[in-house]
Order: sequence, then C-alpha cells, then structure tokens
Amino acid sequence: DTEVTQTPKHLVMGMTNKKSLKCEQHMGHRAMYWYKQKAKKPPELMFVYSYEKLSINESVPSRFSPECPNSSLLNLHLHALQPEDSALYLCASSQGGFRYNEQFFGPGTRLTVL
Amino acid sequence: DQQVKQNSPSLSVQEGRISILNCDYTNSMFDYFLWYKKYPAEGPTFLISISSIKDKNEDGRFTVFLNKSAKHLSLHIVPSQPGDSAVYFCAANSGGNEKLTFGTGTRLTIIP
Repeated sequence: DTEVTQTPKHLVMGMTNKKSLKCEQHMGHRAMYWYKQKAKKPPELMFVYSYEKLSINESVPSRFSPECPNSSLLNLHLHALQPEDSALYLCASSQGGFRYNEQFFGPGTRLTVL
Repeated sequence: DQQVKQNSPSLSVQEGRISILNCDYTNSMFDYFLWYKKYPAEGPTFLISISSIKDKNEDGRFTVFLNKSAKHLSLHIVPSQPGDSAVYFCAANSGGNEKLTFGTGTRLTIIP
C-alpha cells in the first residue's frame, strides 16, 4: 500500500462549527505532515509529527489543532475557522528519522468556511 | 522571503519535444531537492529527487540537473507527453530535517 488517504474530500463548515480532517497511511512512515494550499500558491507547511510527537508547528493559529493517535493516523481538528481558512488541506507522510526522503501526499480535503 | 523560486509561471511545449523547468534557490544550506507534479484537485505526486553530492539524476523520461554554484536546478522531461500537463513544484530541504520549502510552481502545458 503506497497511498495516503484523506477524508472527507470536501467539507463545508460555518464559522461556529467543529469538524475534523482525517489522514491515514500504511507505508510504515514515521513522519506525517499537514499542509495548507491556496489557489495558485505552493503548499504551506502547518504541522509535522515525527514518531507520533509534534515536532514542528509553523505558528499556526490555535483554531487548528493536530492530533496523531498512532503512527498511521493523523487528524486535524477545526474550530471557529474564518472564511480565509478556506483552502485545500493536504496530508503527507515520509519515512522520517532525519534521512533524506520523499514526502508522499494524499489527495487533499477541499475546505470551504462560510 | 521566497527561498525557492520558479520564475516561469507557465510553459507550453509541443508533444514529443523536451520540457525544461527551472528552479532557483537562495539558501546555501539546502542540500536535497525534489520535484513534484500536481494535477488540479489532487495532492502533489513525487517525481524525482537529487542530493547535493550529485549534479544529475535520471529516472526514465525525467532528469534533474543541479548546479550548486549557481544555486539552480532544472527538470528535463523528454519526450513530453500530453499527460505531463500539470503544475510542477520544486522543493528543497536542508540537513535531512522534515521541512520542505516549495517553489511557486510552473504550469506546464503539452500541446498535441
């Protein structure tokens, strides 16, 4: 299995809602990532989990809360988002361990905040 | 501060010809470089990578060249095929840490 899966594919939420994005990989990777991508822009790193511990938080607002329940799963909990948070949210994984290795991306969740 | 730049937002190439995508970087600490391809509404797909100890890496139709002194890398696709039409991002990494810095992307269109 060489896939990173993400659910849901699309999500529409109001500014008072609480929702979660889910990501799963079964490649035995030990590093998992959340990125945000706006139209015509490169992916922008949000969080990195390495061996199930949060290793990088790129000064992301607290209305985004990541969680890594185990080495295969990564969640992103959303609460009180703003319309400008509408974007494609990408999950990625890599072998980790500070070796030079590629990140493999999921298909993304298209989030719209009304 | 854009540490990785792709100065051509778009490129059109005839099918069968060579496509050359360029990328420049400013951070001399970068020592690992990757190219990703992205279709609309999909996640980026890894294509090819190169470490700074090499100046060329080849995989099928894809070749990446690295010129460290110029802080420049390029991706060559030959022959170009219609399915290569996508947005291409270069990305850079330093010291094997987990953070990738992406360029702004080049939209490649292959003309049949």
